[in-house]
Amino acid sequence: GDSVTQMEGPVTLSEEAFLTINCTYTATGYPSLFWYVQYPGEGLQLLLKATKADDKGSNKGFEATYRKETTSFHLEKGSVQVSDSAVYFCALSVAGANSKLTFGKGITLSVRP
Amino acid sequence: NAGVTQTPKFQVLKTGQSMTLQCAQDMNHEYMSWYRQDPGMGLRLIHYSVGAGITDQGEVPNGYNVSRSTTEDFPLRLLSAAPSQTSVYFCASTARNGVAEQYFGPGTRLTVT
Repeated sequence: GDSVTQMEGPVTLSEEAFLTINCTYTATGYPSLFWYVQYPGEGLQLLLKATKADDKGSNKGFEATYRKETTSFHLEKGSVQVSDSAVYFCALSVAGANSKLTFGKGITLSVRP
Repeated sequence: NAGVTQTPKFQVLKTGQSMTLQCAQDMNHEYMSWYRQDPGMGLRLIHYSVGAGITDQGEVPNGYNVSRSTTEDFPLRLLSAAPSQTSVYFCASTARNGVAEQYFGPGTRLTVT
């Protein structure tokens, strides 16, 4: 079946540090890939997405590239801010799967001033 | 445009009690889903619906019931609450299959004692 594996957390960084959060996937079909972010006390919101191989999703300084050859969708940001502190979820959806999202376990990012 | 709304925000139940978690969306989305979020588990799909009158089971459906009589509403019923159902519940909706962004509600935090 479909699955998403995220690196273990939590992650603590100093402000302006470089961020990488690893995500790999397995899918029976040809998936679309997503990163969702959950700020404290809130629901999830879409951060970025990519729908085909070699696509790069980007938003708010975050980027992730859909790598079919390595089945990966790693999230990166060049300089994190305190306001980026949140839980980050990698997810996939396979066309024809009725919009069902398969999530990774999530990783908590804390950014220190 | 309120997006996806959920009520209540918090609820405490005793074992064996029943209740309904409400979810509504005003975006005319066909697809709606219920997820539960547990520490270290990510989000897991409980039930989903591809349109009014059509529902199906997700990954963890036991102990929950859903119906979809209108496009806007997708209530989740706990038939006989158990401590294992203590969780945060999120409702989500999306416009079309697979690629489109899912919009999440703010969540309901349920505790079963």
